[in-house]
Amino acid sequence: DAKTTQPTSMDCAEGRAANLPCNHSTISGNEYVYWYRQIHSQGPQYIIHGLKNNETNEMASLIITEDRKSSTLILPHATLRDTAVYYCIVRGNSGGSNYKLTFGKGTLLTVNP
Amino acid sequence: EAQVTQNPRYLITVTGKKLTVTCSQNMNHEYMSWYRQDPGLGLRQIYYSMNVEVTDKGDVPEGYKVSRKEKRNFPLILESPSPNQTSLYFCASSLAWNQPQHFGDGTRLSIL
Repeated sequence: DAKTTQPTSMDCAEGRAANLPCNHSTISGNEYVYWYRQIHSQGPQYIIHGLKNNETNEMASLIITEDRKSSTLILPHATLRDTAVYYCIVRGNSGGSNYKLTFGKGTLLTVNP
Repeated sequence: EAQVTQNPRYLITVTGKKLTVTCSQNMNHEYMSWYRQDPGLGLRQIYYSMNVEVTDKGDVPEGYKVSRKEKRNFPLILESPSPNQTSLYFCASSLAWNQPQHFGDGTRLSIL
């Protein structure tokens, strides 16, 4: 799996968009970008994933740069309940080591009132 | 409701006393996995299972066993628990190995 780099922490005002960056400069062609989040000591929650096109669902949008070396998770209207650690994970679609899921340190997003 | 259920949620026990943490999912998922989470070390995968009777080691399998006799259940067994296995444990499942994972609420184990 390619490694990812995320800021350790970020702040966002309630009601504003939260933009969480992730760098994955060594990503290879068949590797997807996944985002999960973990609200304090709860089980991680899947948010969204993508390969190269931008993706949107009811929770968030995922913007992947054209060269796929970085991506941004966007929470359009952050609420206090969005305060969590956000994990960006790169995972291939073929077997072997991709059967495992490896979490990094993630970004602690704090949404402030 | 689709869910991954872990039991117990909390357990305090002593060194060497065998224990089992159960995990059950009601989504007919093929892939199941166990993680432990420790401060400063993040989430680390212990074991995973691609399907019934197919299991493999994750990144930190030492001191743990698993079994997958039925599709819905994936118990984590600590044959001789030690204090360094004190941790927060999560079970997860997904339709297939490359699909998004659903996580349980966690089991907090303290081994004295």
